[in-house]
Amino acid sequence: DAGVTQSPTHLIKTRGQHVTLRCSPISGHKSVSWYQQVLGQGPQFIFQYYEKEERGRGNFPDRFSARQFPNYSSELNVNALLLGDSALYLCASSWRQGAPEAFFGQGTRLTVV
Amino acid sequence: AQSVAQPEDQVNVAEGNPLTVKCTYSVSGNPYLFWYVQYPNRGLQFLLKYITGDNLVKGSYGFEAEFNKSQTSFHLKKPSALVSDSALYFCAVRALPTRNSGYSTLTFGKGTMLLVSP
Repeated sequence: DAGVTQSPTHLIKTRGQHVTLRCSPISGHKSVSWYQQVLGQGPQFIFQYYEKEERGRGNFPDRFSARQFPNYSSELNVNALLLGDSALYLCASSWRQGAPEAFFGQGTRLTVV
Repeated sequence: AQSVAQPEDQVNVAEGNPLTVKCTYSVSGNPYLFWYVQYPNRGLQFLLKYITGDNLVKGSYGFEAEFNKSQTSFHLKKPSALVSDSALYFCAVRALPTRNSGYSTLTFGKGTMLLVSP
C-alpha cells in the first residue's frame, strides 16, 4: 500500500507569488492535516480536514487556505508568499478525525526568494 | 493549551551504549503521546505511541518509551544505539478530542538531534 504522498517535493517561489501543495492520504484514510516545519523547529499545525470539511485551524494568517476533495486528497494554498513561509510542509493522514495516529508524507520543501 | 518540551537540542552517544531522549508534556486530560523520527530531507516517520495501558511502550527499530504520569514525561530509550539511529527525534502529544472541539491536533516539541558515534 502506498503511504501518504505529497507533490511537489521541492519548489522555489518568489515573494508575492501563490503556491499550491498537494497531498494524497493513505487509502481508506479520511482525515488530512497540514503542518509547517520551519528549520530548527517542530512541525506546527495549520489545518485539519475530515470528510471534506475544515475541522480545525492553527494560528496562521488568512493567506493560508486548504480544501479536501471527494477522494480525500487535499490541497494547501498559500497566497502572497513571504520569505518567512519558507519551510517544509507536511501532510498527515488519519483514518478518521479522532484517530490518535497520524502518518506523514515526505513533505514539500518550499523556498521563497 | 498543550505543550511539549524536549530539553536537549542534541544527544551524543557511542554506538552500543544505551540512549535516552527526554520529553515532558503538558495537556488537559489524558494524553496520547508519540515519538517520530526525521532523517535529513525526509518527512516524519512514526516510531511508537502511548494511548493507554502499560507504561513501557515498545516501538520500531528497538526503541521503547516510558510513560510517567506523575512526572508528565515520555522519554525515548534504546538499550544499544546504532550509528544508523542518528537523526532528529520529535516527541508529540495529542489531547483526546472534546465534545466541543470535535478534533485534536498533534503538538510537537522542538526536536532532539541524536548523534551516534562509531
